[in-house]
Amino acid sequence: GESVGLHLPTLSVQEGDNSIINCAYSNSASDYFIWYKQESGKGPQFIIDIRSNMDKRQGQRVTVLLNKTVKHLSLQIAATQPGDSAVYFCAEKNTGNQFYFGTGTSLTVIP
Amino acid sequence: GAVVSQHPSWVICKSGTSVKIECRSLDFQATTMFWYRQFPKQSLMLMATSNEGSKATYEQGVEKDKFLINHASLTLSTLTVTSAHPEDSSFYICSARDGRVHYGYTFGSGTRLTVV
Repeated sequence: GESVGLHLPTLSVQEGDNSIINCAYSNSASDYFIWYKQESGKGPQFIIDIRSNMDKRQGQRVTVLLNKTVKHLSLQIAATQPGDSAVYFCAEKNTGNQFYFGTGTSLTVIP
Repeated sequence: GAVVSQHPSWVICKSGTSVKIECRSLDFQATTMFWYRQFPKQSLMLMATSNEGSKATYEQGVEKDKFLINHASLTLSTLTVTSAHPEDSSFYICSARDGRVHYGYTFGSGTRLTVV
């Protein structure tokens, strides 16, 4: 089902450091996961995805890790830049092709 | 890549009026579109799944008579907020599934609705 958060967790990192954003998902039958970045007043922007038959996937400066045992996703951003400041959501896809979003984490990069 | 256009991007309306939001897939046919609502500092909440040529499937707790969804063509889905009230003020976002691509889902840029 849906996950609604009343307060967004926040993460502040120094420019150049690595960031790790975590997400717990709810449905063990979910077979596909996406990390999205959302800037203020805009729609979600795709960052990276991973299927349930994988446990790690790497993109440019980003890595997603999937631990199905504990239903946990993480997004690692290498050498974080000011432009990475945004809210990050994980989304899980159920077998009905519907996506449900996690609470979100607000990332602030300190120059 | 796949592009989804949402219109309008921002709308202010008076309480009691109805507002229509359009979601278009510009360069692909979307057999399925999804509508989300997002309140400030909160996550996206799936409202309904819209299938071309058939009735939308609403999530539990979403009033189908208040949020009318029409998916009349493979490139257009509309969400009409009927008799809008201030508590309907929110950010509404659609996404469309590109059937050409396995796991191809693209989001629109969202519509900010303010009901006064």
